[in-house]
Amino acid sequence: NAGVTQTPKFRILKIGQSMTLQCTQDMNHNYMYWYRQDPGMGLKLIYYSVGAGITDKGEVPNGYNVSRSTTEDFPLRLELAAPSQTSVYFCASSLTSGRPSSFTDTQYFGPGTRLTVL
Amino acid sequence: DAKTTQPTSMDCAEGRAANLPCNHSTISGNEYVYWYRQIHSQGPQYIIHGLKNNETNEMASLIITEDRKSSTLILPHATLRDTAVYYCIVRVADENAGNMLTFGGGTRLMVKP
Repeated sequence: NAGVTQTPKFRILKIGQSMTLQCTQDMNHNYMYWYRQDPGMGLKLIYYSVGAGITDKGEVPNGYNVSRSTTEDFPLRLELAAPSQTSVYFCASSLTSGRPSSFTDTQYFGPGTRLTVL
Repeated sequence: DAKTTQPTSMDCAEGRAANLPCNHSTISGNEYVYWYRQIHSQGPQYIIHGLKNNETNEMASLIITEDRKSSTLILPHATLRDTAVYYCIVRVADENAGNMLTFGGGTRLMVKP
């Protein structure tokens, strides 16, 4: 299994440009997530999905869009790039299920996409 | 989810045990304690989690106090490759809970030769 893969690894955008960050997992996980990490800070959740066709906002969704048409793929779209979106973006997935006493939802992270907006 | 408090940084000698503390005094009965780590420039990596019993796996041990208000992650024989930021996270074990992992500042562990 490749796990969680992300493309591209690096990208430089000009203000106002758009792009899609790709994320694919081959573990048949039901949940997928997008986080961003600013320099020296912890990760913040942008969007997540509990299954194909279902997405929901996280802590910092403004300026981003997502879709989940398949179990494997969860792309993140930036429509009008701004310098404040300069960050490292991590995609993750988990197989989330179970009752509270046996709950499992370990998240597996991709290697990240380093985005700079100038 | 309950908040956690961790020391900003710690040093450990290579080959010795690394004991990383975490306070979570407002933890509630249905919240698990998770530990992840992030090696420089990589995505976070799951280490271990527990509810109230001590847990051990191939990477580490997790000791949770009886009142569940604090825990300690133990790396029994730290190596240079264990140098990373370690995050202690408390969250509800509920698939409808928004599934957010709230990453605080973490503890920057430096393993020295």
